[in-house]
Amino acid sequence: DTAVSQTPKYLVTQMGNDKSIKCEQNLGHDTMYWYKQDSKKFLKIMFSYNNKELIINETVPNRFSPKSPDKAHLNLHINSLELGDSAVYFCASSQERQGYSGNTIYFGEGSWLTVV
Amino acid sequence: GQSLEQPSEVTAVEGAIVQINCTYQTSGFYGLSWYQQHDGGAPTFLSYNALDGLEETGRFSSFLSRSDSYGYLLLQELQMKDSASYFCAVRDLEDTGFQKLVFGTGTRLLVSP
Repeated sequence: DTAVSQTPKYLVTQMGNDKSIKCEQNLGHDTMYWYKQDSKKFLKIMFSYNNKELIINETVPNRFSPKSPDKAHLNLHINSLELGDSAVYFCASSQERQGYSGNTIYFGEGSWLTVV
Repeated sequence: GQSLEQPSEVTAVEGAIVQINCTYQTSGFYGLSWYQQHDGGAPTFLSYNALDGLEETGRFSSFLSRSDSYGYLLLQELQMKDSASYFCAVRDLEDTGFQKLVFGTGTRLLVSP
């Protein structure tokens, strides 16, 4: 019944490794996001997809590559992990309606990535 | 650039009223939202203001003044479970025509008995 689910919840890995985080939403939304929350709890958007198309790509190192196989899934692959990548990564989704700005964003429970 | 400023921490006692302020500076503005996040949890939506004035949802109210680029979240009859981080967020418009939600720095609310 979880609306936005992401796996894994916890991930500890060594510098230089490649890892992926998967996300699925069962809300029927057309837009999905990846947000990064650092140790100071600052929440910043990384990417957004609308109907499988990339619509927002913030200034993120190209080691981060999102992939959306369909509008219910948005995965995040990270190459050559660095210490500074340690953070909580939140997947989220919303139903964007033209002319309306109050669309609620629903977040997953987060994936806690620790790079050692 | 975009910036949303909030106090870093607010403390209050059970039953009290607390106000969390948010001032913003963004290139575009399409409404102010508030999200709550408990430690270890996901941010969850609380309220949204598109127009000036007060919106009330139970014990929580949110206010917006677009001319002042300012809003606040008012929490009444505080309960211990209200201890959490509260984020204001502004919708801004991308060049693509799509909107994105830009979050403030977050305010940690500590409610004591």
